Amino acid sequence: DTGVSQDPRHKITKRGQNVTFRCDPISEHNRLYWYRQTLGQGPEFLTYFQNEAQLEKSRLLSDRFSAERPKGSFSTLEIQRTEQGDSAMYLCASSSGTPRGYTFGSGTRLTVV
Amino acid sequence: GQSLEQPSEVTAVEGAIVQINCTYQTSGFYGLSWYQQHDGGAPTFLSYNALDGLEETGRFSSFLSRSDSYGYLLLQELQMKDSASYFCAVGQNFVFGPGTRLSVLP
Repeated sequence: DTGVSQDPRHKITKRGQNVTFRCDPISEHNRLYWYRQTLGQGPEFLTYFQNEAQLEKSRLLSDRFSAERPKGSFSTLEIQRTEQGDSAMYLCASSSGTPRGYTFGSGTRLTVV
Repeated sequence: GQSLEQPSEVTAVEGAIVQINCTYQTSGFYGLSWYQQHDGGAPTFLSYNALDGLEETGRFSSFLSRSDSYGYLLLQELQMKDSASYFCAVGQNFVFGPGTRLSVLP
């Protein structure tokens, strides 16, 4: 296993367009997390899955954001009607349930122009 | 809610020892974690404290005092490659601190 994979690495989109990102976690990890990080800040929690169930969503996550993990393996994060304020690095992490096993992917950098 | 405070920047020279502090407020405590992130890279796990005291992993050590809601990361024998941002994190779903940017000078 090569770790947590995210695709694409970079995405430039026009304001108002929809974008979708994919995350493939470490195969034996049942927990998957999405974070957003802007320059000079720490990662900000967005949402969390245990297997296919979405167990928690940040109150910061607007209705334009939706995430799925249909078969408890890979996950997608969709942003509808993107805004310039959505420009950030979107990080995915997976875990087996212990803090020591929390592994991040390299992220998808989104630029909204 | 949860919040964390860290110094924004720390500078040290190669071979030195540096301590990065973290104070936190959290409604439920699940341990204090530390992550390293190089520019353009992913955060990588460094250390985790669930109980009070010192955890040592090679050149890195982490300390926790739950009564003081305080912890620190200690980096010894600093190397140039240690120049990065360091984040403390608490909570089941990891609320991260704002990060401390460490610059190691030759």
